[in-house]
Amino acid sequence: GAGVSQTPSNKVTEKGKYVELRCDPISGHTALYWYRQSLGQGPEFLIYFQGTGAADDSGLPNDRFFAVRPEGSVSTLKIQRTERGDSAVYLCASSLGGVQETQYFGPGTRLLVL
Amino acid sequence: SQQGEEDPQALSIQEGENATMNCSYKTSINNLQWYRQNSGRGLVHLILIRSNEREKHSGRLRVTLDTSKKSSSLLITASRAADTASYFCATAYSGAGSYQLTFGKGTKLSVIP
Repeated sequence: GAGVSQTPSNKVTEKGKYVELRCDPISGHTALYWYRQSLGQGPEFLIYFQGTGAADDSGLPNDRFFAVRPEGSVSTLKIQRTERGDSAVYLCASSLGGVQETQYFGPGTRLLVL
Repeated sequence: SQQGEEDPQALSIQEGENATMNCSYKTSINNLQWYRQNSGRGLVHLILIRSNEREKHSGRLRVTLDTSKKSSSLLITASRAADTASYFCATAYSGAGSYQLTFGKGTKLSVIP
């Protein structure tokens, strides 16, 4: 079946602009996660959804970052007033929910803020 | 923040040799997972080992877990050029309030044909 998909694959924007990154999870997966990966580092957790609600947003670095999942499927990560330090690969993962479930990752969106 | 460290940071071997990567972590866990990443993009899940398991196999992969030492190892036997990638361990702990994965910095494996 189809895996996790993310759009766009690449996004180049200018400092101060607003961007939206989209994630389509595997059908039937109730849990959805966003991670951010900087060059040479492992992914770092941003936010976790169980259904429509954000169950844990402790990884969001500041209030410029926001994510939604209005119908419990597709999620959008929104970044306001982008800064050069936001440049990274943004990864989305989904799972059936529960700590023992495998998280399946999408290909990521590479964001470059000029 | 990163949970722990993979060791070594980089590993270069000849095709056909075995590759061993180690992972250490700091807190309690429910499970530990290993992922592979090619070219800095999507992660491919390799294997999940639960905290009450000590060893698990999947094809050419063998994972061990020692919760008393807070460490795990990934062994890839009879390596192939296609195994060239970065390998990450990640831990999950429900006591943290969510099921987020906490990753290490990864081991970059190069398999020379």
